Amino acid sequence: QQPVQSPQAVILREGEDAVINCSSSKALYSVHWYRQKHGEAPVFLMILLKGGEQKGHEKISASFNEKKQQSSLYLTASQLSYSGTYFCGTSDAGNNRKLIWGLGTSLAVNP
Amino acid sequence: DAGVIQSPRHEVTEMGQEVTLRCKPISGHDYLFWYRQTMMRGLELLIYFNNNVPIDDSGMPEDRFSAKMPNASFSTLKIQPSEPRDSAVYFCASSFSGYSNQPQHFGDGTRLSIL
Repeated sequence: QQPVQSPQAVILREGEDAVINCSSSKALYSVHWYRQKHGEAPVFLMILLKGGEQKGHEKISASFNEKKQQSSLYLTASQLSYSGTYFCGTSDAGNNRKLIWGLGTSLAVNP
Repeated sequence: DAGVIQSPRHEVTEMGQEVTLRCKPISGHDYLFWYRQTMMRGLELLIYFNNNVPIDDSGMPEDRFSAKMPNASFSTLKIQPSEPRDSAVYFCASSFSGYSNQPQHFGDGTRLSIL
């Protein structure tokens, strides 16, 4: 079951904050977050495991709510370089090597 | 260090032709994944290997698609015969051990257009 990402698109001014959500109908073992710029490969941001929370880098962090089967990605004080499409990939305990990906959230940061 | 290397970067061919996509994973990585990306369906896992052995090919759309990994440093994805609906960006990714706390490293992808 493909995870659902929301919102589908966000437009920010430089310095503003954003939250991207990733929800699943299945019990999750892990959530992976990636950013993809147009015409490029997805780039790893961070992984959150069941029972834990991991901060990635810069001003980007994430949380994992096991009860809601949801992860949220927080981008604070956005920079122009944050523009791109953000994807979450989820795995369940049955096969934690196999990721199912959301359709992505397009983020545009304007000056 | 060299990342995941895919070739070709772009492929344009006519319907019915055979298409072969190539991937060299990061040295030391023992998992290799093939994905297809389209606007409508997003990133779809086609097949993945562990230590050169196919583990899960449930995402391979049909018999026209096949994948091999003859050794730890090379994998191919073949489409024969190709159809216009196969047009997409195909990514190869590799990871170490494949556990969920290990990231997948993606190649730059092959943009495939079937006319």
